[in-house]
Amino acid sequence: AQKVTQAQTEISVVEKEDVTLDCVYETRDTTYYLFWYKQPPSGELVFLIRRNSFDEQNEISGRYSWNFQKSTSSFNFTITASQVVDSAVYFCALSDPGADGLTFGKGTHLIIQP
Amino acid sequence: EADIYQTPRYLVIGTGKKITLECSQTMGHDKMYWYQQDPGMELHLIHYSYGVNSTEKGDLSSESTVSRIRTEHFPLTLESARPSHTSQYLCASTLGGELFFGEGSRLTVL
Repeated sequence: AQKVTQAQTEISVVEKEDVTLDCVYETRDTTYYLFWYKQPPSGELVFLIRRNSFDEQNEISGRYSWNFQKSTSSFNFTITASQVVDSAVYFCALSDPGADGLTFGKGTHLIIQP
Repeated sequence: EADIYQTPRYLVIGTGKKITLECSQTMGHDKMYWYQQDPGMELHLIHYSYGVNSTEKGDLSSESTVSRIRTEHFPLTLESARPSHTSQYLCASTLGGELFFGEGSRLTVL
């Protein structure tokens, strides 16, 4: 059975600090996809990134970066120089080509204080 | 931006009423999903569909039902709403692995 663990329920930092959101996953499949979604207070889920299991290159997009380490089954997300607008709930999710839908972690509530 | 729409965004209704949450997508995706999100944030898959006339139950048991008569439309129905149905319901569709989500429908049953 698949599982996604986001051990950090809530993180609070002061604006401009860097913050890392942890994600650990479990799957028996060799081919799978990992995702990060952002859920602002308005409620919609905003897609941030998809990474397939064969691509372990880290990715940077502006202030966002992702560290995929297959050896530790982790897919961590770092926000550099955080801003108040980054405040949201962030979900890590796991899929594979045969699965239906995604398996989500419980989410990490990120609070950026001015 | 994803073209997937949910209505209503917010609904407050009394116990025993029948409600239908609408979900439409204009991307021609075959696979569609309904997730239920409790106030504690966790998302659970309650229904999915591979295409027209296909509906399946998800991991979380739900008293709701769904239908898929047209590719673009995947409504969710509760025949008799109860306070335990209070939650946010998120619709999604996919092509090639990425899920596109609607803005969600927040249901409150009094």
